[in-house]
Amino acid sequence: GESVGLHLPTLSVQEGDNSIINCAYSNSASDYFIWYKQESGKGPQFIIDIRSNMDKRQGQRVTVLLNKTVKHLSLQIAATQPGDSAVYFCAENTGGFKTIFGAGTRLFVKA
Amino acid sequence: EAGVAQSPRYKIIEKRQSVAFWCNPISGHATLYWYQQILGQGPKLLIQFQNNGVVDDSQLPKDRFSAERLKGVDSTLKIQPAKLEDSAVYLCASSLVPGEALHFGNGTRLTVT
Repeated sequence: GESVGLHLPTLSVQEGDNSIINCAYSNSASDYFIWYKQESGKGPQFIIDIRSNMDKRQGQRVTVLLNKTVKHLSLQIAATQPGDSAVYFCAENTGGFKTIFGAGTRLFVKA
Repeated sequence: EAGVAQSPRYKIIEKRQSVAFWCNPISGHATLYWYQQILGQGPKLLIQFQNNGVVDDSQLPKDRFSAERLKGVDSTLKIQPAKLEDSAVYLCASSLVPGEALHFGNGTRLTVT
């Protein structure tokens, strides 16, 4: 399939290690944030979301942290697996209807 | 549930030709989005529908792009005439309510030569 994110920032981690992917968002009025995973040749897939009244939310092997003071979002993946290799996008929603995507980070997992 | 369906999967056209993409959202999803994703970038919203009405088309190049969502279900996105810079993946997404997490199709990869 076609490649996604040939020139994106890249994070390379060893299988089994924890991964942290960071994102700076632009609008201080944004109140809903989502992380998406995009594999080659596929559309983005929802991973986890968080609302602005929270600073942490946990899912299965994933945790999202939100720091509204510095407009920063992070995605932590525990015990990273080869299947986690993909491009990860953060997206923000400004309380209206529009979802705006960041530039993305490519995650490589080394076996 | 069945996911968002898009067709065709790939399309190659020459500049100045026209092209159309089709999207069938998840059943019951009132909100439908078309995004353009240029290689190496995040998806950029082109147009957003609520049922069959346009909510946001501020980023749609209206001199060449058009979209419709008849009967509030399927949607088509058309480019006429295409330019080289239109080469991208065109993603359709839907959500149950506006602003909530999006469900994406696998996109149509357009190459304009």
